[in-house]
Amino acid sequence: DQQVKQNSPSLSVQEGRISILNCDYTNSMFDYFLWYKKYPAEGPTFLISISSIKDKNEDGRFTVFLNKSAKHLSLHIVPSQPGDSAVYFCAASAPQGGKLIFGQGTELSVKP
Amino acid sequence: SAVISQKPSRDICQRGTSLTIQCQVDSQVTMMFWYRQQPGQSLTLIATANQGSEATYESGFVIDKFPISRPNLTFSTLTVSNMSPEDSSIYLCSVTPTRLEAFFGQGTRLTVV
Repeated sequence: DQQVKQNSPSLSVQEGRISILNCDYTNSMFDYFLWYKKYPAEGPTFLISISSIKDKNEDGRFTVFLNKSAKHLSLHIVPSQPGDSAVYFCAASAPQGGKLIFGQGTELSVKP
Repeated sequence: SAVISQKPSRDICQRGTSLTIQCQVDSQVTMMFWYRQQPGQSLTLIATANQGSEATYESGFVIDKFPISRPNLTFSTLTVSNMSPEDSSIYLCSVTPTRLEAFFGQGTRLTVV
């Protein structure tokens, strides 16, 4: 049972435009959500997170939106840059233990 | 933030042998987590390592196959025992200083031949 889903395995965007990466979850007990960027042969790099009591969090070019009623979150990157090309994972954290449940990842390609 | 040093970064091992992966954190943390990323897959939690107690394993993972040590609040090891080619993966350790952030080591890319 996949509790966190990223239904788009890949996304291609033109440099300077907006990248929108989506994530759905099924467990209403998740109370924190995190986004990571991962390059091959490296560990995931933490980007941004959001608590379930908020609906938006912004950090520079990255904004995460949370729609609790739809159990959906999205990461917006504006403007997109070629260096943003990587695999992006969303992750959810449940109250007990702090462990993360990851989605399958979306590979973002930003074209110059 | 937390800086995590993980080693080895990669290894090629013979089937039937064991490999121990080390994870060192630059600050004291209560819990450390070990994940696996199989080729083309997402990250899956293997176990949670608590200092002073036995590790807590996720469904599908057992202590005999993945023994974990946590001797203090800045260090942990994961051993992959009696390896088979199916164990070829990237293994990652992680810490969560707060619920809003979690940091990972650079990973250990293991190939079993």
